[in-house]
Amino acid sequence: SYVLTQPPSVSVAPGQTARITCGGNNIGSKSVHWYQQKPGQAPVLVVYDDSDRPSGIPERFSGSNSGNTATLTISRVEAGDEADYYCQVWDSSNVVFGGGTKLTVL
Amino acid sequence: EVQLVQSGAEVKKPGESLKISCKGSGYSFTSYWIGWVRQMPGKGLEWMGIIYPGDSDTRYSPSFQGQVTISADKSISTAYLQWSSLKASDTAMYYCARHPRVGAMLDYWGQGTLVTVSS
Repeated sequence: SYVLTQPPSVSVAPGQTARITCGGNNIGSKSVHWYQQKPGQAPVLVVYDDSDRPSGIPERFSGSNSGNTATLTISRVEAGDEADYYCQVWDSSNVVFGGGTKLTVL
Repeated sequence: EVQLVQSGAEVKKPGESLKISCKGSGYSFTSYWIGWVRQMPGKGLEWMGIIYPGDSDTRYSPSFQGQVTISADKSISTAYLQWSSLKASDTAMYYCARHPRVGAMLDYWGQGTLVTVSS
């Protein structure tokens, strides 16, 4: 089965840029979606189809996907961005989630 | 406004049956897939399966095939997730979410239903 690998944690100071990676075999050939989940809340879609943003998601959230790595980039990080982030793809008619990355804002 | 509203928290004993629900509103319920996602305490997201309410086409993750049943009643815009015999390991938060199509993202999520199975 297809595996998506995310770093367990990423830390960044306010105002800096956070990059969260999602590794998978030839993931660049797939569409990657990203979700933000704050404690006690349901996940929220923040980037879809590699780099598109749903309405209401700040432009500070962006995505890229090439080769074996997809990346969620959060610019000018704010305290309110502290959350778990999950990447997701489809493989063989199944949804696959990455293990999640906890973003800590120092 | 698209909304998915899930049924309330449940506390059950091992061996009991359970059916939880997810009611969609603000869009054409029969034109979008509904998926179910499990999140065990302190863990990540696990996809369980999806259903297309328009024709009840249902697909399961291999990990959950035979363990749960996904269904829908399009007349009341509601999808369901059910167990015939719960185990303690079914204790988790369960989310429903909307897929615009197979292969696409989960664009709207329900608030979650916490299921606790304990003797």
